[in-house]
Amino acid sequence: AQSVTQPDIHITVSEGASLELRCNYSYGATPYLFWYVQSPGQGLQLLLKYFSGDTLVQGIKGFEAEFKRSQSSFNLRKPSVHWSDAAEYFCAVGAREGGSEKLVFGKGTKLTVNP
Amino acid sequence: EPEVTQTPSHQVTQMGQEVILRCVPISNHLYFYWYRQILGQKVEFLVSFYNNEISEKSEIFDDQFSVERPDGSNFTLKIRSTKLEDSAMYFCASSFLELNTQYFGPGTRLTVL
Repeated sequence: AQSVTQPDIHITVSEGASLELRCNYSYGATPYLFWYVQSPGQGLQLLLKYFSGDTLVQGIKGFEAEFKRSQSSFNLRKPSVHWSDAAEYFCAVGAREGGSEKLVFGKGTKLTVNP
Repeated sequence: EPEVTQTPSHQVTQMGQEVILRCVPISNHLYFYWYRQILGQKVEFLVSFYNNEISEKSEIFDDQFSVERPDGSNFTLKIRSTKLEDSAMYFCASSFLELNTQYFGPGTRLTVL
């Protein structure tokens, strides 16, 4: 069965520092991969996605992610974090079972940004 | 930019009562989904809906749950007899194509007392 692992439950970084959030997936076929962000009390906003092609994908708010098939990873990065990036980040894989697609989410990584 | 909307934002109900959560997907989208997130836990798939029928449902989506697209714009999730453990944030999502980006609404927080 498909699964997504986000090994870091909580990460704290200083404003201006670089950020990398880890995501590993388990899926038999070519995965469709997503990163969503959830600010407190808000819904899920799509940051970026990987379907095929270039393994380095750019998203909104200066985020990027790199798909590495050999490591089954899709880590999210940002070179310089802003205080407004404090939120919870979810990695997800688009899984197709029974003729229908669904998203399988990781447990999320909560990001705290120190001034 | 088009967006998915959900009403109400917060619903409080008594155990055993029926609730209907409403969603308006993006207008040209064809695939519709419900997910839920129990406080502090991950987002879980409930059901997908296409062409006026359920495409797939999870083991969470038992006989107490139903979905409907009563008209050309709304997509609803009904819980017939709520339980305490149904307390969660419920997200609606839609996509234009299958295996495509799903856009999420802001969620409805359901509290069952």
